[in-house]
Amino acid sequence: DQQVKQNSPSLSVQEGRISILNCDYTNSMFDYFLWYKKYPAEGPTFLISISSIKDKNEDGRFTVFLNKSAKHLSLHIVPSQPGDSAVYFCAAKVPGNTGKLIFGQGTTLQVKP
Amino acid sequence: DTGVSQDPRHKITKRGQNVTFRCDPISEHNRLYWYRQTLGQGPEFLTYFQNEAQLEKSRLLSDRFSAERPKGSFSTLEIQRTEQGDSAMYLCASSGDGEQFFGPGTRLTVL
Repeated sequence: DQQVKQNSPSLSVQEGRISILNCDYTNSMFDYFLWYKKYPAEGPTFLISISSIKDKNEDGRFTVFLNKSAKHLSLHIVPSQPGDSAVYFCAAKVPGNTGKLIFGQGTTLQVKP
Repeated sequence: DTGVSQDPRHKITKRGQNVTFRCDPISEHNRLYWYRQTLGQGPEFLTYFQNEAQLEKSRLLSDRFSAERPKGSFSTLEIQRTEQGDSAMYLCASSGDGEQFFGPGTRLTVL
């Protein structure tokens, strides 16, 4: 079963506008979430994270929102830039000491100049 | 330190052959992970090492797969008797107490 889901395979936005990437999860025991960005021929790169004790975390142009009751998180990129074009993965850290991550399927973001 | 490195970057093999991949983590990281990514999917956890000890293995890791991390430094992932379904990107990641840093991956194609 897919415990972390990204239901939008792709998203296209205009440069300067807001990009909103969504992620849903099913396991209420998840307490730490991360977003990774992946360019072609590279491994995923950590972008931003959020603990379940928070509902928002901001880092520059990137903000992650967490809605625990809806089991939903979103990544906002404002303003979007062409260099943001990449695949974005949402991930949840499995509770316990391993640090194991469960990833969503990814959303391909294209930012048009 | 230039981050996590993986070798080779690409591997093409024939069905039934054995392959071995290497991962060199960030030097001070004691945790090492292997993930597999297929087309249109996110990375899927395969196995986890803390130092030299392999502490968890996914049920995705059949008995044809074996991973080692001798001396808690680099790690190898071996696939015996490869099958076409093994074709994927194999990603290695390492971490200390914080986030995982990923290598560029090894893309395996089984013909």
